[in-house]
Parts: sequence; structure tokens; C-alpha cells
Amino acid sequence: QQQVKQSPQSLIVQKGGISIINCAYENTAFDYFPWYQQFPGKGPALLIAIRPDVSEKKEGRFTISFNKSAKQFSLHIMDSQPGDSATYFCAASPWNTGNQFYFGTGTSLTVIP
Amino acid sequence: KAGVTQTPRYLIKTRGQQVTLSCSPISGHRSVSWYQQTPGQGLQFLFEYFSETQRNKGNFPGRFSGRQFSNSRSEMNVSTLELGDSALYLCASSLPGAGALGYTFGSGTRLTVV
Repeated sequence: QQQVKQSPQSLIVQKGGISIINCAYENTAFDYFPWYQQFPGKGPALLIAIRPDVSEKKEGRFTISFNKSAKQFSLHIMDSQPGDSATYFCAASPWNTGNQFYFGTGTSLTVIP
Repeated sequence: KAGVTQTPRYLIKTRGQQVTLSCSPISGHRSVSWYQQTPGQGLQFLFEYFSETQRNKGNFPGRFSGRQFSNSRSEMNVSTLELGDSALYLCASSLPGAGALGYTFGSGTRLTVV
């Protein structure tokens, strides 16, 4: 059973556009939500993360929006660039139970020049 | 500093064989976690080791096992390989309690079972 549901599976965006990836979870014990970026042939790398005590976190062109009541969170990539073309994974974890993360199934993002 | 090193990068095995994958964490990292990545399933947690002890275990059959050595290097073993075990196996290391902030993945071992 997939504990974190991610959509869309793939996304094509024009350069300069906004990319939006959505995730939903059910387990209310989750209280840490990171996003990972993975390029072909590489392992996932942490992009940005949020705790549920805030509704939004922004780092450069990347923003996480978090809706605790709906148990949903999303990644927004502003001014998308071809170099952002990668696979993005959302994840969730209970903060205090070691390093076990539950990942979404991934979104393949292609940014067209 | 050196990143997380996984060896080998690629591996082809036959059904029924066993395989051992290796992971060398970042120096000073004592927690090592293993994930299986397949298309459509994303990353599935296998297990986590800390100070040579398995601390967490995912929902995988007993054919999947692991261990950690005193220098924090970790190995995972898959016995009686099945076609469905074909995947990218990733390990990640971190400092204890660092959470995702210190969670660094290796580039993985691509296992193909034929």
C-alpha cells in the first residue's frame, strides 16, 4: 500500500512556466515532508523540506505548500528551466522514528526550451 | 568530502542466485538505510542499520537481508533471486537524528535478474 500518493506521473512544462507536483498522505504520524530531485544515473538529492507547523516554505524558485487538514502538500517550481528536468519524489516520515522515509512514486518533469 | 559509495554499479544475475551489494557511507555517518527503486513503485524502504544493529525494517520478504560493520559500511544480500528483484538499489547514510537534512543517497546499484 502506497503511504504517499504522488501526481502527476509525468509533466511537461515550457521554459519559464510553473511546475506543480502534488502529494497526499493518510498517516497522521508523518510530520516531516522532504522533496527529492533525481537525475538519471544519480541517487535522489534533497531539494527542500517542510514541517507541518508552517503552511509554506520557499527556497529560491522552489516552494512547498502544505495543507495539514487535507493531508496534502505540493512542490511548485517557478520559472522552470531545462536544467530542472528530472524526476521528483515527495516523501514523508515521522520525525522521531529513525531514518525511514515513505516515498511517492515520482514525477518525471521535462522542461521544454 | 567523499559521498556515499555503492558497489558494484551494475550487476546481472540469474534467477535463483544470490547477490551481495555494498555501501560505504560518508565518513562519520553511522546510519545506513537501503531502498529499492522500481518504475511505478518509487522508492521502497528495505531496512536501516545504526551501530551495527538493524533499527527499522520495511515490508520485504526474508530473502532480503543486511548487515553493518563496525566501520559503518553496510551490505545487503538478496538470496534466491527472482525476476521481480530487478531494480535500482539505493543506500543512504546520515548522522543519527539528522533526518532528511543529512540524508545522502549513493548513486545505486542497478541489479538485473535474468
